[in-house]
Amino acid sequence: GNSVTQMEGPVTLSEEAFLTINCTYTATGYPSLFWYVQYPGEGLQLLLKATKADDKGSNKGFEATYRKETTSFHLEKGSVQVSDSAVYFCALSLTGANSKLTFGKGITLSVRP
Amino acid sequence: GAGVSQSPSNKVTEKGKDVELRCDPISGHTALYWYRQSLGQGLEFLIYFQGNSAPDKSGLPSDRFSAERTGGSVSTLTIQRTQQEDSAVYLCASSSNWGYNEQFFGPGTRLTVL
Repeated sequence: GNSVTQMEGPVTLSEEAFLTINCTYTATGYPSLFWYVQYPGEGLQLLLKATKADDKGSNKGFEATYRKETTSFHLEKGSVQVSDSAVYFCALSLTGANSKLTFGKGITLSVRP
Repeated sequence: GAGVSQSPSNKVTEKGKDVELRCDPISGHTALYWYRQSLGQGLEFLIYFQGNSAPDKSGLPSDRFSAERTGGSVSTLTIQRTQQEDSAVYLCASSSNWGYNEQFFGPGTRLTVL
């Protein structure tokens, strides 16, 4: 089956620190990969995506590269801000009749001033 | 334009009662999904509708759960004889039937079963 594994949390960083959140996946086909973010009190929203191997998704200073050889899609940001405090979910979907999202368990990021 | 909307935003019910949760997808989106977000299980897929095709119900946890989508737009998720383990946030998402499956999520309905 398909699955997504995220590193255990929570993660607490100081402002301007470097962020890496690990994500690996298992899929029976060729998935598209996503990072979703849930800010406090808000709904789930797409942060970035990549649809094929070696693609790099980027948004709001965050980046993630689709690595087929290591089945990974790690999220990085060079300098986090307090406003980045949120829950981050890695997810995959397979193109086809049912493109449901399979999510990792999510990780809570807190950024201190 | 309007995003995905869900109602109610919060629902508190007693064990054994039936509840209905509503989702209004983005206009023109043919695909609609229901997910459940709970502390123990994370985010889980429940059911998927695409146009006039038969829905994919493979994620529904029991036969107490059902969903319908009328006229290819609004969807209702019904939970019969609610149990305490049904307490969760129920999320609805919609997407167009082309592109790379980007799903847009509603704010969710927080269900509490006492």
